Amino acid sequence: GAVVSQHPSRVICKSGTSVKIECRSLDFQATTMFWYRQFPKQSLMLMATSNEGSKATYEQGVEKDKFLINHASLTLSTLTVTSAHPEDSSFYICSAQARGLAGPYNEQFFGPGTRLTVL
Amino acid sequence: EDKVVQSPLSLVVHEGDTVTLNCSYEVTNFRSLLWYKQEKKAPTFLFMLTSSGIEKKSGRLSSILDKKELFSILNITATQTGDSAIYLCAVSFLDDKIIFGKGTRLHILP
Repeated sequence: GAVVSQHPSRVICKSGTSVKIECRSLDFQATTMFWYRQFPKQSLMLMATSNEGSKATYEQGVEKDKFLINHASLTLSTLTVTSAHPEDSSFYICSAQARGLAGPYNEQFFGPGTRLTVL
Repeated sequence: EDKVVQSPLSLVVHEGDTVTLNCSYEVTNFRSLLWYKQEKKAPTFLFMLTSSGIEKKSGRLSSILDKKELFSILNITATQTGDSAIYLCAVSFLDDKIIFGKGTRLHILP
C-alpha cells in the first residue's frame, strides 16, 4: 500500500527556534499533501493544503507566516514552524493524496506524525 | 459551519461486548464519510462510505451511512483489548479536504 513517512518523529526545541518537519510519499506521487495538528485529547485539525509547485492554502486561523509550507516535489512537502512557542507544542500529521491510483476516491494516506515539544 | 459530531466521546466496555459508535454531520459539498482508528500515532483507515444503506464490513467491524438523516454508525462486535483506540469519523469534501470529529475514545477491559 501507499506509504507516507515523516521526519523527525519527535523533536524538542527551545522557544524562539524554528523547526522543519518533512513529509514524504515513498512509493507514489502526491498531487496534494495536507497538514494537520492534533492537540492532546483533541481531533485532527486541518492546517493547510499543499499542492506541488504552488502556494499552500491555509485554513482560517492558521498563520501562514508562522507555519511555512513548501511542496517542492510530488513526493515531498515540508512544514516549518517558525519562532516556535510552547503553545505550538502538538502532534503534527501530514497526509498525501495519491495521483492516479485506482478508484473514484483520491484517498489520503497519513504519515506517522511528528510530536513537537517547545520548551 | 461544517461540523462532524461523534458520540459518545468515551466508552468503556468489557471484552466480548458489542459497541456502536455514532457520527453525525452537517456539511456542504459532501463526498464521503470516513472512519479511522487511531492508536498511538496517525489514523489508520477503516471505511469509506458514500452511499446510504450499504453496509461495509471488515471482520468484526461494520459501518453504514444514512445520507438522509446525516449520520453513520460504526459497530464492533466481540470486542477485544486490541480494539482499544480512538475512533475518528471524518467527512471528505468535493475539494478533497477532510474534517474530523473529536473521536470516540474506546477502552476495552479484559
